[in-house]
Amino acid sequence: SQTIHQWPATLVQPVGSPLSLECTVEGTSNPNLYWYRQAAGRGLQLLFYSVGIGQISSEVPQNLSASRPQDRQFILSSKKLLLSDSGFYLCAWSVGRGRTQYFGPGTRLLVL
Amino acid sequence: AQRVTQPEKLLSVFKGAPVELKCNYSYSGSPELFWYVQYSRQRLQLLLRHISRESIKGFTADLNKGETSFHLKKPFAQEEDSAMYYCALRGMRNNDMRFGAGTRLTVKP
Repeated sequence: SQTIHQWPATLVQPVGSPLSLECTVEGTSNPNLYWYRQAAGRGLQLLFYSVGIGQISSEVPQNLSASRPQDRQFILSSKKLLLSDSGFYLCAWSVGRGRTQYFGPGTRLLVL
Repeated sequence: AQRVTQPEKLLSVFKGAPVELKCNYSYSGSPELFWYVQYSRQRLQLLLRHISRESIKGFTADLNKGETSFHLKKPFAQEEDSAMYYCALRGMRNNDMRFGAGTRLTVKP
């Protein structure tokens, strides 16, 4: 069966520090991968999606970036965090674009 | 452009009362609509999709193309229905999935 992992579960970082959140999927090949941010009062916002290794599409311009170094690994990064980057970050995968998405447990990020 | 609107951020009902979570969409083609749910301390997960025409945990949702709506309904709410609900749309042309802002449902005893 397929599983999706995210770590860390919780992260507290100072403003201006770098960020690296990792997401891995098991039990499937060539998944579509997604990064979302769930901010209080703002719902679920798609940040990035990837249809394959090295292929990243950005939905929202910001100081975050994403990379997919391996088929089942998706990384969300920032060189310098802002206060506004605080939120709950969800990784998801699907068999194809637009198909049912399966979500990871999420990472709660607090930038102070 | 495709857009999903959930007009209510918060919705509170009493146990046993009917509940309706509103979802309106904007899309020029034929959409596929979904409802996702996130219970406390659990992962966001698919609740139902309009093409399945199924009832999950007593919830149903009918796609109304005339009103461009996909409201989620349950005749008798239960306390365990308290959760965050997201409406989502998949455009058949580009396959992109878009989520609404979500509605937090609280069912009071």
